[in-house]
This record gives sequence, structure tokens and C-alpha cells, in this order.
Amino acid sequence: EAGVVQSPRYKIIEKKQPVAFWCNPISGHNTLYWYLQNLGQGPELLIRYENEEAVDDSQLPKDRFSAERLKGVDSTLKIQPAELGDSAVYLCASSSSPGTGATGELFFGEGSRLTVL
Amino acid sequence: TQLLEQSPQFLSIQEGENLTVYCNSSSVFSSLQWYRQEPGEGPVLLVTVVTGGEVKKLKRLTFQFGDARKDSSLHITAAQPGDTGLYLCAGEGGKLIFGQGTELSVKP
Repeated sequence: EAGVVQSPRYKIIEKKQPVAFWCNPISGHNTLYWYLQNLGQGPELLIRYENEEAVDDSQLPKDRFSAERLKGVDSTLKIQPAELGDSAVYLCASSSSPGTGATGELFFGEGSRLTVL
Repeated sequence: TQLLEQSPQFLSIQEGENLTVYCNSSSVFSSLQWYRQEPGEGPVLLVTVVTGGEVKKLKRLTFQFGDARKDSSLHITAAQPGDTGLYLCAGEGGKLIFGQGTELSVKP
């Protein structure tokens, strides 16, 4: 079974340019997450979807970041305009709800590494 | 705000040594997960501990959840170069909160 697929793996852009990342979760996983990870640090949640609904976007910088999960399957994360401080790895993860309200195991993609020059 | 603090942040040891990584919080968690992340990859779940005082073993790795469910530890016996990576704890308290990670380097 295919894991979480992300693209692109690497992206280098000039500051003020837009950038978009795509994620396809594991089939049947209704919960999708976007995390930001700086080098040698733990992932920080940006947004969590339950099917097509964003249930937690409190940490998403909404002035420049946007995300969508149309049809409740794959998702895109966009940054416009990018700033130098946005350089990081953007991780997508998915999980199947265990039905107890708990998060359960997260399955991560390989990440998209963004460098803003 | 729930925070998880991991220590040490960096650890460089020789093959065959033992080590312990700590994950501490002032908050109570319903469960705690440990992940391992290799360079260029996403984190992969190692174990989930749920009950206060619970101990789980995974080959040379021993995980313990504190009695009060506020802290956890990961002990590795006879570390090998293949254990090298970033170890992350993540506490469940309404949502999953990650610690800042422990970078482990095991030299042959």
C-alpha cells in the first residue's frame, strides 16, 4: 500500500514568490495534517483536516498561508508571498480516526524542503 | 499551552553504549507516542504508551510512561549506528504536541 505522497521534494524560490505543496494521504485516512519542521526540531502543526473540514487552523499564518482539501482526499498548502523565515520542511501526515477521540498513529510523507532566497 | 521538553537535545555516543532520552511536561497526557526520524524522511512511530507507569520494550529500546502521565523516557541498550536519528516524543491532549526532539548520533 502506498504511503503519504508529497511533492515537490525540494523547492528553491526567491522571497516574495508564491509556492505550493501537494499531499496525497494514505487511502481511507480521513484526517490530514500539515506540519512545519525546522532543522533538528520537532514538527509544529499548521492545520488539521477531518475529511474536507479544517478543524484546527489556529497556528496557520493566514496572512500568507492557505490550504485546501477539496473532496476530502488530497490537499495543497500555499504560501504567498514567501519570506526568508519560511525556509523549512513542510510535512504532510494522515491518520485514520480510532473512534475514541484520540489522534492515533500519524503516517508522515517524506516532506517538502523549501528554501527561500 | 501544553509543552513537551526533551533532553538532551543532542547526544553523540560510541557504539555499544547505553543512553536515556527524557520527555517532560507539566501537563497530563492521555497517551504519549515516540517517533524516530531519519534525515530526509518523515517521522515513523515506534511506540504508543497509554497507562501511567506503563513500560514497553521494542528490541533494545525500552519506553516508560510516568505514573502521572506527564513524562516519559526512552532507554536504548547497546546503541548501534543504525539507531542514529532524531527521536521525537508527542503527547496527546486534545491534539498531538511534539517535543523539540533529541538528535542521536551513534559512532562505530
